[in-house]
Amino acid sequence: QKEVEQDPGPLSVPEGAIVSLNCTYSNSAFQYFMWYRQYSRKGPELLMYTYSSGNKEDGRFTAQVDKSSKYISLFIRDSQPSDSATYLCAMGQGGSEKLVFGKGTKLTVNP
Amino acid sequence: KAGVTQTPRYLIKTRGQQVTLSCSPISGHRSVSWYQQTPGQGLQFLFEYFSETQRNKGNFPGRFSGRQFSNSRSEMNVSTLELGDSALYLCASSLKRLAGFETQYFGPGTRLLVL
Repeated sequence: QKEVEQDPGPLSVPEGAIVSLNCTYSNSAFQYFMWYRQYSRKGPELLMYTYSSGNKEDGRFTAQVDKSSKYISLFIRDSQPSDSATYLCAMGQGGSEKLVFGKGTKLTVNP
Repeated sequence: KAGVTQTPRYLIKTRGQQVTLSCSPISGHRSVSWYQQTPGQGLQFLFEYFSETQRNKGNFPGRFSGRQFSNSRSEMNVSTLELGDSALYLCASSLKRLAGFETQYFGPGTRLLVL
């Protein structure tokens, strides 16, 4: 079983839709949970991070972590064509820079 | 503030050759991590360097090595290249305070093609 599982998609939605992206994980030692966005031919860019369980909101983006279920989510409200990218979940433990990534979900938002 | 820079951006090598990739972290950042990204395996951690010392290593063969210089710049080396080493190699830097989470900032990557 891989440490982090993420549905690769692809996911195609119309502009304005609510997008839900998810990851599950198996390592209960993970404490930090991140979502990165990667545009084609670019490096990953950090969107959101959450420590332990809970919700975090930043503009149109909401990250949720449920440690009891080992499940994390990213919601994008009012999706825009500029949101079209690959979204990667990543997880880490305290004191270590090592991140374990999901394989990424490719999202296309159609105008 | 300039971001993480990586050179070269693109590289073509043949099997059996070796390659050296370079990463300059964001000014003031002391930790540099390297990742390999492939369509099949996704992003995988290679190693992390802090204060010129390797702090963490991923599950890669000994052909993959790295180092960090006193100015925090880092290089990674792959010897005896194999076709499967074709990938995007990403470098990430962070401040690395004593404890807690540090945001890692990624560079644009070096795309390596092994023929």
